[in-house]
Amino acid sequence: DIQMTQSPSSLSASVGDRVTITCRASQSISTYLNWYQQKPGKAPKLLIYAASSLQSGVPSRFSGSGSGTDFTLSISSLQPEDFATYYCQQSYSTPQTFGQGTKLKIK
Amino acid sequence: QVQLVQSGAEVKKPGASVKVSCKASGYTFTSYDINWVRQATGQGLEWMGWMNPNSGNTAYAQKFQGRVAITRNTSISTAYMELSSLRSEDTAVYYCARRFWFGELVSAFDIWGQGTMVTVSS
Repeated sequence: DIQMTQSPSSLSASVGDRVTITCRASQSISTYLNWYQQKPGKAPKLLIYAASSLQSGVPSRFSGSGSGTDFTLSISSLQPEDFATYYCQQSYSTPQTFGQGTKLKIK
Repeated sequence: QVQLVQSGAEVKKPGASVKVSCKASGYTFTSYDINWVRQATGQGLEWMGWMNPNSGNTAYAQKFQGRVAITRNTSISTAYMELSSLRSEDTAVYYCARRFWFGELVSAFDIWGQGTMVTVSS
């Protein structure tokens, strides 16, 4: 199975900050990498697919980049509704494994 | 609108089985794979398996092989996940999710059910 490792595990930031979350795969996955946002008590929500493509309806302050084994999710100017947990997921092979999550907290 | 609606919370004893349903609406049920993902309290997301609702073909994570079965009833656009020989470690929220194909080989889970809490306790 492909292992997905996110860093950091948690992050404190303020409204208006730019933040970056990193995801590393245990082997090359090309650009078969998705990002999800999850708020407490809610199902995950798809933000980015294929490493850098923005899902319909997702604000443009979210962006993704990377290929091979190293990927990033960036939020250009944090809004109050962005404080949540973020997960990466590889869709290169079955099982489609997730990272352990990055909790974004208000500073 | 496009949505997946899951059945309600369950409480089961160790050794029992649980069957969670996931009803699709707003799209053609047989056109998209259904995946099941679980999340223990305070933990991350764990993929369990998927099913092609058209063919009924399935694939399961090695960890759940022999204990999980994903089935469907196409007449009512509903998928099911049954997990047997339950133990306390299976206490979690179970989600169904639709896999959308954005292009050749590119897919992601674009629609999720609201989640079903399964508690395993004696």
